[in-house]
Amino acid sequence: GAVVSQHPSWVICKSGTSVKIECRSLDFQATTMFWYRQFPKQSLMLMATSNEGSKATYEQGVEKDKFLINHASLTLSTLTVTSAHPEDSSFYICSARGGGRVLSYEQYFGPGTRLTVT
Amino acid sequence: GESVGLHLPTLSVQEGDNSIINCAYSNSASDYFIWYKQESGKGPQFIIDIRSNMDKRQGQRVTVLLNKTVKHLSLQIAATQPGDSAVYFCAENSYYGQNFVFGPGTRLSVLP
Repeated sequence: GAVVSQHPSWVICKSGTSVKIECRSLDFQATTMFWYRQFPKQSLMLMATSNEGSKATYEQGVEKDKFLINHASLTLSTLTVTSAHPEDSSFYICSARGGGRVLSYEQYFGPGTRLTVT
Repeated sequence: GESVGLHLPTLSVQEGDNSIINCAYSNSASDYFIWYKQESGKGPQFIIDIRSNMDKRQGQRVTVLLNKTVKHLSLQIAATQPGDSAVYFCAENSYYGQNFVFGPGTRLSVLP
């Protein structure tokens, strides 16, 4: 099956610094990637949708200047949390959907990145 | 978005028993549904899916039932095993090719 990786798997950073999280589709080309945030004991909440080569579409309430998303290639999307604060501590999960099939619902999830801001 | 909750219901079952996890969805336009399993500290793992033109689909030890009349989805796990312990999410898709909306999740605990 399709594999999506994330790096790093966990990161600890100081308040005010920026952190970059990578999401890669390893064996398929991902025309669309999604970024989710998950707080403890809660469900996944979609943050943004990014299509390769175009600007990301952010969900209501998600600050696009704080959560920078780049989807520069068909296999890589990055999420940069700028000026991180303790309230940004969460589990960040990406997913990817492949291109080539017009009618494709399939979405493959990465293993997640645990961000802790001290 | 819809279907996001702050509480995580828990279902405890004895090893070997059958488990039934339920999910109510709100968007009557949803036409595709997936059940995911998420273990602690990991991303969601696909279990089984069903389209709105079906009311039942079976996989290995799992069955998904869809009742569009009452907008209800269930996941049945036969002969529950310790490895089935996880949080289970249903997800719905109401637009062709757009993102999924996740339900609040249910924690399944398998008792020895």
